[in-house]
Amino acid sequence: GESVGLHLPTLSVQEGDNSIINCAYSNSASDYFIWYKQESGKGPQFIIDIRSNMDKRQGQRVTVLLNKTVKHLSLQIAATQPGDSAVYFCAENFILTAGNKLTFGGGTRVLVKP
Amino acid sequence: GAGVSQSPRYKVTKRGQDVALRCDPISGHVSLYWYRQALGQGPEFLTYFNYEAQQDKSGLPNDRFSAERPEGSISTLTIQRTEQRDSAMYRCASSLSGTNSPLHFGNGTRLTVT
Repeated sequence: GESVGLHLPTLSVQEGDNSIINCAYSNSASDYFIWYKQESGKGPQFIIDIRSNMDKRQGQRVTVLLNKTVKHLSLQIAATQPGDSAVYFCAENFILTAGNKLTFGGGTRVLVKP
Repeated sequence: GAGVSQSPRYKVTKRGQDVALRCDPISGHVSLYWYRQALGQGPEFLTYFNYEAQQDKSGLPNDRFSAERPEGSISTLTIQRTEQRDSAMYRCASSLSGTNSPLHFGNGTRLTVT
């Protein structure tokens, strides 16, 4: 399959530790945010989303935090597993501009060390 | 259930030829999106549809690119008179509704123009 993210920022994490992936978004008026996981040769896979009227949302082993004051989004992965190794993208949307058009950030590669 | 299906998986064409890329969205999804993704980068928006109506085509690079979704289900992205710079991974996504719902991506079509 093709490689994703040949020269991306990389986060190396020990298996079992928690991971924190950060994202600075661009539009202060954005009101919907999503995290995607992309494995080599595959399309981006939805992980979790959050609306701008929230500052925290939890899923299974994942938590997304939104700080609108500094336009910062983070994804926390608890007890990181080898299967979490992938490239992670944040995406934002400003609904009033054009429906659900997402603008993606540059991505972070996560490498889980056994 | 079945995800977003794209065909062909790989397409190699000679410069100047036309190509048509197909996307079959998740059944019942209202919105369909086309993105293009370069290696190491997040997907870049091209165009999207709600049902059969093209809502936004602001991301199409030039008038050689067009898309249609005539019956509100399957969509075709057509590139006329292909150029080498068109070589990329083209990704289709669909979402249940047009606002604040996550996009689900297919595995993409890798286009190579020689």
